[in-house]
Amino acid sequence: AQSVTQLGSHVSVSEGALVLLRCNYSSSVPPYLFWYVQYPNQGLQLLLKYTSAATLVKGINGFEAEFKKSETSFHLTKPSAHMSDAAEYFCAVRTLGGYNKLIFGAGTRLAVHP
Amino acid sequence: GAGVSQSPRYKVAKRGQDVALRCDPISGHVSLFWYQQALGQGPEFLTYFQNEAQLDKSGLPSDRFFAERPEGSVSTLKIQRTQQEDSAVYLCASSVGTGTGQLLQYFGPGTRLTVT
Repeated sequence: AQSVTQLGSHVSVSEGALVLLRCNYSSSVPPYLFWYVQYPNQGLQLLLKYTSAATLVKGINGFEAEFKKSETSFHLTKPSAHMSDAAEYFCAVRTLGGYNKLIFGAGTRLAVHP
Repeated sequence: GAGVSQSPRYKVAKRGQDVALRCDPISGHVSLFWYQQALGQGPEFLTYFQNEAQLDKSGLPSDRFFAERPEGSVSTLKIQRTQQEDSAVYLCASSVGTGTGQLLQYFGPGTRLTVT
């Protein structure tokens, strides 16, 4: 069965510091992976996706993620945090067996302080 | 606005009441998904429609949950005899097609259901 694990339910960084949000997946076949961001009282917005092309994926708002098969990881990074990055971040994997439904991790809440 | 819309945004129901949650997907999107997001958790899949056909309802937690999409556009998620454990945000998402090249899902803002 496929699954996603996000290490660290809360991450706090200073403005301008590196952001690193961790995601590990479990899949028997090459996965399709996603990072979504959720601002308070809003739906999920896609940051980036990995679909078996380039292993380094660039997304919106300066975020990027690197697919590492050997580590079964898809960590999200941003070189310099901005106050507006404070939100909840979800890693997700597309399920096998059709219909493209997603399995989400439990989420990581990112706090950015001055 | 061309995004996914949901109504109501907030719903308070007394235990035992029935509720209906509406989703308006992006026009022309074939695929429609419902997810349930409990407090502090990631979204969990409930059910999937391809046009008007409900092809996967494996995530519905009980027979009190029912979803429909009769004309292949608007969808309604109905919960009968609500229980406190039904309190969650219900998210709707749509995607343009069904193939691997069309797997990007666009999410609505969600309906926050509180059962008292």
